[in-house]
Amino acid sequence: EPEVTQTPSHQVTQMGQEVILRCVPISNHLYFYWYRQILGQKVEFLVSFYNNEISEKSEIFDDQFSVERPDGSNFTLKIRSTKLEDSAMYFCASRGLGLAKVGSSTDTQYFGPGTRLTVL
Amino acid sequence: DAKTTQPNSMESNEEEPVHLPCNHSTISGTDYIHWYRQLPSQGPEYVIHGLTSNVNNRMASLAIAEDRKSSTLILHRATLRDAAVYYCILSGGYQKVTFGTGTKLQVIP
Repeated sequence: EPEVTQTPSHQVTQMGQEVILRCVPISNHLYFYWYRQILGQKVEFLVSFYNNEISEKSEIFDDQFSVERPDGSNFTLKIRSTKLEDSAMYFCASRGLGLAKVGSSTDTQYFGPGTRLTVL
Repeated sequence: DAKTTQPNSMESNEEEPVHLPCNHSTISGTDYIHWYRQLPSQGPEYVIHGLTSNVNNRMASLAIAEDRKSSTLILHRATLRDAAVYYCILSGGYQKVTFGTGTKLQVIP
């Protein structure tokens, strides 16, 4: 069964450093998302991406964050200057074009296993 | 975002059915009812979704009230691997998924 993959599984960085989190969405999906989950808290939406541009972003997604689809398969989240409060699990998700019959799995978001980011 | 209400936690004995309820009285006509679950230290996992009619898949069944103001996720035989936080989410189209606190399901051997 197709799945979303993410690398690395765990990233440790020093405060102020740049990090790039990588995701490989499911191959025929067109919509891409990043979420994060601070330890013990809810999963929070960061950004959605479609047709090579951001379609929606949350208040969390400030100028320190950027997303890119550098080629036909990868989807990346960059944090330019990490802060201690950026420590969290970061989840990538992707979704197909939809319009499938109700109950099928083609019109829902599939999540990757996450990257645990630790900022020291 | 349309809001859902779920119990904070539930318990079930292993190999017994589990009914996880969700109230969504402000659901709109275009909202799909999605269920995800999150096992410890893992990403959210899609379980099932529906619009108006009851739905079945290999993981679970989804029973939707006639007025669509509530739904129930049914796990037919709970296993220890089903211990997770279950999220009931309303979502239409390609919008973001907004997670609440969900129901933490404990499965007792």
